[in-house]
Amino acid sequence: NAGVTQTPKFRVLKTGQSMTLLCAQDMNHEYMYWYRQDPGMGLRLIHYSVGEGTTAKGEVPDGYNVSRLKKQNFLLGLESAAPSQTSVYFCASLRELLTDTQYFGPGTRLTVL
Amino acid sequence: AQSVTQLGSHVSVSEGALVLLRCNYSSSVPPYLFWYVQYPNQGLQLLLKYTSAATLVKGINGFEAEFKKSETSFHLTKPSAHMSDAAEYFCAVSQGPNAGNMLTFGGGTRLMVKP
Repeated sequence: NAGVTQTPKFRVLKTGQSMTLLCAQDMNHEYMYWYRQDPGMGLRLIHYSVGEGTTAKGEVPDGYNVSRLKKQNFLLGLESAAPSQTSVYFCASLRELLTDTQYFGPGTRLTVL
Repeated sequence: AQSVTQLGSHVSVSEGALVLLRCNYSSSVPPYLFWYVQYPNQGLQLLLKYTSAATLVKGINGFEAEFKKSETSFHLTKPSAHMSDAAEYFCAVSQGPNAGNMLTFGGGTRLMVKP
């Protein structure tokens, strides 16, 4: 049982390049989330999914797209990277209820030059 | 939307001293509150959560938090700090099922423990 995994762990992009971050969970959780973490700002929600085939916008969705084609995977895409997207990205999953625990992945550190 | 505020971005204590990390929430409905810990270069790990069952919540590693509705607070405490407690701590509130049970986090408090 690996929990929540994220690939890659590190990435450096040039402005305008695109990339996809992969989040995978093996706990059969319904809900999945993408957050970004910036110093002094805690974690802010980018997009989330309440089930396979569904996605919704979070607090800071601009410049990102997501897809949840399979229940266990949640992909975060950057179509045209900007320096403002330099951050640490965390994926999380939740079984179902709001009283359940969100489990977090180890993070992806992205630098956009 | 519900929100949380963490007072003090950095807290320094001596080993063996009391740890007190402050969190205040803003909510028009009974909140579901969480404390997470993040060790360097790692993801977030749940310390404890308040789900309206009991106002004093005990978590892992000797931490506990008390929900005080009158003060809209959910402060995290530990009687005696260890060097291994050095980390960043986040308070969070759930936005509920109508918002996908997503969490809104405070800005975080970095705890430093001096020998």
